[in-house]
Amino acid sequence: AQKVTQAQTEISVVEKEDVTLDCVYETRDTTYYLFWYKQPPSGELVFLIRRNSFDEQNEISGRYSWNFQKSTSSFNFTITASQVVDSAVYFCALRGNRDDKIIFGKGTRLHILP
Amino acid sequence: EAQVTQNPRYLITVTGKKLTVTCSQNMNHEYMSWYRQDPGLGLRQIYYSMNVEATDKGDVPEGYKVSRKEKRNFPLILESPSPNQTSLYFCASSLTRFRGMPGGEQYFGPGTRLTVT
Repeated sequence: AQKVTQAQTEISVVEKEDVTLDCVYETRDTTYYLFWYKQPPSGELVFLIRRNSFDEQNEISGRYSWNFQKSTSSFNFTITASQVVDSAVYFCALRGNRDDKIIFGKGTRLHILP
Repeated sequence: EAQVTQNPRYLITVTGKKLTVTCSQNMNHEYMSWYRQDPGLGLRQIYYSMNVEATDKGDVPEGYKVSRKEKRNFPLILESPSPNQTSLYFCASSLTRFRGMPGGEQYFGPGTRLTVT
């Protein structure tokens, strides 16, 4: 069965600190996508990134970076120099190629303190 | 503008009174899905649809029905709502699986906050 685990329920850091959100997944599919979504206090769900299982290159987008490691089945998300606007719930998700279900982790609530 | 719309955004109802939450997308996506979000439980998939007239159960389908008669619409039906269906509901759409590749990222509607008393 597919599974996504976000072990950190809630994290608080002071503004300008770096913070890493962990995501560990389980799947038997050889081809799959991993995603990160952001849910700010306003409630909408915003897509951040998609990673193909064949592509283990790390990705950086401004202050955001993602570290995908198949050997440890992890897809971690780091925010560098955090800002108050980064306060949100962040979800990691998995989508395989053998069925049509999409599995989300339970989310990590991130508080950036001014 | 590419978007997923849901209506209503807020709904308070009583136990047993049938209701429908509508969902529509304008991106010509084959795949559509409904989720509920509850504190501590994250997003759980209720039903999904791979295309018109093709629907399947997600992880928490009990008490819900869906239909997909048109590609753009995917309504969620609660025929006899109960208080344990009080939740925040999201509709989403995306491309579907193709030639061995998973479907892509989902685009979410704004959410419907449902309270059943």
